[in-house]
Amino acid sequence: GENVEQHPSTLSVQEGDSAVIKCTYSDSASNYFPWYKQELGKGPQLIIDIRSNVGEKKDQRIAVTLNKTAKHFSLHITETQPEDSAVYFCAARASGSARQLTFGSGTQLTVLP
Amino acid sequence: GAGVSQSPRYKVAKRGQDVALRCDPISGHVSLFWYQQALGQGPEFLTYFQNEAQLDKSGLPSDRFFAERPEGSVSTLKIQRTQQEDSAVYLCASSLIRGRGNYGYTFGSGTRLTVV
Repeated sequence: GENVEQHPSTLSVQEGDSAVIKCTYSDSASNYFPWYKQELGKGPQLIIDIRSNVGEKKDQRIAVTLNKTAKHFSLHITETQPEDSAVYFCAARASGSARQLTFGSGTQLTVLP
Repeated sequence: GAGVSQSPRYKVAKRGQDVALRCDPISGHVSLFWYQQALGQGPEFLTYFQNEAQLDKSGLPSDRFFAERPEGSVSTLKIQRTQQEDSAVYLCASSLIRGRGNYGYTFGSGTRLTVV
């Protein structure tokens, strides 16, 4: 089955700096890669996603890049703000009848004021 | 409703007790998923429904875990004879399927189960 590795596990940045979180996946059949933000006591919230026919996608301060050959994808947050502090999860889903996501282990992002 | 609703938010069970966790998905969402999230980890897949049909239950850790969605809307995850290793947050998510497209999930806030 699919295996998703996520790095780093913790990340501290100064307010206004950029943050980058990286993930690798094992199943070459995976074609959908969402990123979730989880705040304390809440469920994961989808912040951006990318499909395998696209190499990059941007939404305001958030961008995701995908390298299918190397089987890795990254989340980039620019101009970080204290409210960006949370746990971020990457995930991957293969095509086919099974529609579940396989999640990475999470990155605790702390934005220091 | 506007989002995925889960109840109860917190549940403390004595070891050996049976529990039932409820999920009310977004109206009209065809797909419903249950995930288990241990402390400090990412969510792990338990089971998947398309309408009332349980199409995948490969993630259920043992036969003590049972899920149902009899009318294709509300779902219940039942855990029999709870054990300490069942302590986790149980997340429900729903998704709208159109054709073969991939769409993101909407998660509920979860039920935190503590087995003592």
